[in-house]
Amino acid sequence: EAQVTQNPRYLITVTGKKLTVTCSQNMNHEYMSWYRQDPGLGLRQIYYSMNVEVTDKGDVPEGYKVSRKEKRNFPLILESPSPNQTSLYFCASSYGTSGSDEQFFGPGTRLTVL
Amino acid sequence: GQQVMQIPQYQHVQEGEDFTTYCNSSTTLSNIQWYKQRPGGHPVFLIQLVKSGEVKKQKRLTFQFGEAKKNSSLHITATQTTDVGTYFCAGIRLYSGGGADGLTFGKGTHLIIQP
Repeated sequence: EAQVTQNPRYLITVTGKKLTVTCSQNMNHEYMSWYRQDPGLGLRQIYYSMNVEVTDKGDVPEGYKVSRKEKRNFPLILESPSPNQTSLYFCASSYGTSGSDEQFFGPGTRLTVL
Repeated sequence: GQQVMQIPQYQHVQEGEDFTTYCNSSTTLSNIQWYKQRPGGHPVFLIQLVKSGEVKKQKRLTFQFGEAKKNSSLHITATQTTDVGTYFCAGIRLYSGGGADGLTFGKGTHLIIQP
């Protein structure tokens, strides 16, 4: 089944404790991205990747890191999480390198930083 | 910041009434996409419009892309409880110098249906 998977689905952590949210897609998509969703603010892009080893900042990259060592994986790293990073996070992938195609979203990761 | 504006933020309707959400950009869009997110779920792609003035239908849903490619709308006829959710538009904004932005989402319209 074609899908985007994220882990973990739920995470409660404390300020400053490094964490990684994994994202994997099995559709051989070129483009992958991370979004955060907050009430009243909609979906805001954090980082995106057009291809392996190519990543770039989205609208809200501060406090986040990403890597794209393999085509299928695009982990999101929070080196020192803070409470303002409490949010619902979605990974997405799409076929072409421009990100203008249909986006396939993962199920989401709900992160709480205490 | 987000430059694709979407209104209204919330819309309450009685079941069976129609619903419309509007999306506007200050710059020309190369395309517009629409997504639906059910409560507790993730956004799911509905449709993409590319041509100026394009109109597409999916059963009770009608999607329009403006002639200037700066606005779009989603209209649902005779809403049902299964239509509950948040509807997002997303577009690629073009610049006069020839560049393009990444896919930018509107803030979404929450559709609440009262039986």
